[in-house]
Amino acid sequence: QVQLQESGPGLVKPSETLSLTCTVSGGSISSDYWSWIRQTPGKGLEWIGYIYYSGSTNYNPSLKSPVTISVDRSKNQFSLKLSSVTAADTAVYYCARTKEYYDFSAYYYYMDVWGKGTWVTVSS
Amino acid sequence: DIQMTQSPSSLSASVGDRVTITCRASQSISRNLHWYQQKPGKAPKLLIYATSTLQSGVPSRFSGSGSGTDFTLTISSLQPEDYATYYCQRSDSTLWTFGQGTKVEIK
Repeated sequence: QVQLQESGPGLVKPSETLSLTCTVSGGSISSDYWSWIRQTPGKGLEWIGYIYYSGSTNYNPSLKSPVTISVDRSKNQFSLKLSSVTAADTAVYYCARTKEYYDFSAYYYYMDVWGKGTWVTVSS
Repeated sequence: DIQMTQSPSSLSASVGDRVTITCRASQSISRNLHWYQQKPGKAPKLLIYATSTLQSGVPSRFSGSGSGTDFTLTISSLQPEDYATYYCQRSDSTLWTFGQGTKVEIK
């Protein structure tokens, strides 16, 4: 059974880079899409972006901080970097496996396995 | 940008009640709508994908319907473990968004 675990600093200073890693266990990262999502009390759930195991990415254009998601297949991990963070980036960050489903009319993308989440505070 | 609006934002119901939660998109998203359940301090859990397909292991009292702009999540007989917040999510384009959530509380 696939499990995901987020790791990284719980405190980041404003204007610095937030870096998180998601380790995939019980399965291979070399298939499917892999997403980052965050949650704040004020804005609810916000999808940040995804990476396909081959390396192609798609990011939420509404994010104010520049985003980079990368994959390391040798370590079965994928990572998130959010640059020039502000207090607005304080949130619980989740990684999730994202499945692609096709039913002869359209493609659907949904998150079927989630990590437990990690709280990140942006503060000096 | 397509907006997702859930209603109600919260509701109170008793065990055994039939509960219906609605998610409305500001433009048609075909059937590209998924539902999640989240309990306090936990990650969201996938319940239904592509409007009406039940995720493996999810009880059959959960069901989904709709298409275009209007979608519904129904719990046919509310159980104690169903008290949680429910979110819809669209993935019809390159920008995926969630509804604001519906909190189901004990009456």
